[in-house]
Amino acid sequence: GAGVSQTPSNKVTEKGKYVELRCDPISGHTALYWYRQSLGQGPEFLIYFQGTGAADDSGLPNDRFFAVRPEGSVSTLKIQRTERGDSAVYLCASSLIGYNEQFFGPGTRLTVL
Amino acid sequence: DAKTTQPNSMESNEEEPVHLPCNHSTISGTDYIHWYRQLPSQGPEYVIHGLTSNVNNRMASLAIAEDRKSSTLILHRATLRDAAVYYCILNLAQGGSEKLVFGKGTKLTVNP
Repeated sequence: GAGVSQTPSNKVTEKGKYVELRCDPISGHTALYWYRQSLGQGPEFLIYFQGTGAADDSGLPNDRFFAVRPEGSVSTLKIQRTERGDSAVYLCASSLIGYNEQFFGPGTRLTVL
Repeated sequence: DAKTTQPNSMESNEEEPVHLPCNHSTISGTDYIHWYRQLPSQGPEYVIHGLTSNVNNRMASLAIAEDRKSSTLILHRATLRDAAVYYCILNLAQGGSEKLVFGKGTKLTVNP
């Protein structure tokens, strides 16, 4: 079956611009996570959705970052007024509630010039 | 938050067993021990998890110390495709969020 997909695979933008990153989770997975990974580091948690609601957004670095999941399936991570420090690979994962295994997508590489 | 400590890197030869250690001395009684791996240019991939007892699956085995302060991921016969960064993670299931807190992991190199 299809795994977690993320689009675009690469995104180059200029400082100050707005970007949206999309995640399509595995069908039927009610839990969805966003992480970001800087070069040489492990992934860092950003936000967790149970269904449509954000159950834990403690990892969002500031109010320039926002994520939605309006119908409990596809999620969009939105970054306003991008900064060079936002450059990273943004990873999405999904899982069934109550199961320990998270399935990760291939990530979106964001480069802010 | 409970943390894990892993060696930065390890090397192995193809078709030999590999033992990847992880220390987690501040683990709490309800924390599960998870292992994920990340191949180059890919997202992390689940390997195995356990609570108290040793666990086996088709990918690997997980040996957990009796006091749960350490664990070892065992790859029984390393292949070139096992070259990856391996992460040992304690599942912080607080308030319903099962977020994973990754460290830097162990970079495993497999020599042919």
